Amino acid sequence: AQSVTQPDIHITVSEGASLELRCNYSYGATPYLFWYVQSPGQGLQLLLKYFSGDTLVQGIKGFEAEFKRSQSSFNLRKPSVHWSDAAEYFCAVAGAGTYKYIFGTGTRLKVLA
Amino acid sequence: EAGVTQSPTHLIKTRGQQATLRCSPISGHTSVYWYQQALGLGLQFLLWYDEGEERNRGNFPPRFSGRQFPNYSSELNVNALELEDSALYLCASSLGGNLGTDTQYFGPGTRLTVL
Repeated sequence: AQSVTQPDIHITVSEGASLELRCNYSYGATPYLFWYVQSPGQGLQLLLKYFSGDTLVQGIKGFEAEFKRSQSSFNLRKPSVHWSDAAEYFCAVAGAGTYKYIFGTGTRLKVLA
Repeated sequence: EAGVTQSPTHLIKTRGQQATLRCSPISGHTSVYWYQQALGLGLQFLLWYDEGEERNRGNFPPRFSGRQFPNYSSELNVNALELEDSALYLCASSLGGNLGTDTQYFGPGTRLTVL
């Protein structure tokens, strides 16, 4: 079955510390992978996406993610977290022609000053 | 460029009533998607419309329905509301066609509360 797992429901980091949010997927075909961020009361904003090519993807707000096919993972990273990064982060998977995204349950990030 | 817009922001209904949610996609986008974000359940795919046609639906009962208008805006209708329908309903739009190369852009959502 197709699924996305975000093992960490909550993560707390100090401002300036590095961040890694985990995402594992199960998908029969070559996946298209996405990370979105949702601030309180707002919709989802696309951080980055992977379709093919270089497995290290750069996104907005200083985020990057690495696609590791052997581990079925697409972890999101940021070298230095800012207080404004506090939000909920969603990983999603889709495939060509499947026309629907499968989302993980999200990871809520808290940033300590 | 304006993003995806949704109305109303909040909607309060009672059990058994009907709710209508609206979505306007980004200009030039022909595909509209609806998702339900219930507490603790993440985002669940509801419906996909493209060029005025329903292309696919998720695992939701028939009382969840909708349509897409000639200007590509969309309505989501929920009939015979139940308490568990309380959720944030998100609309997304994309250029249409092959999802694999098509990024979905989300609106701010409509918060539906069923009492």
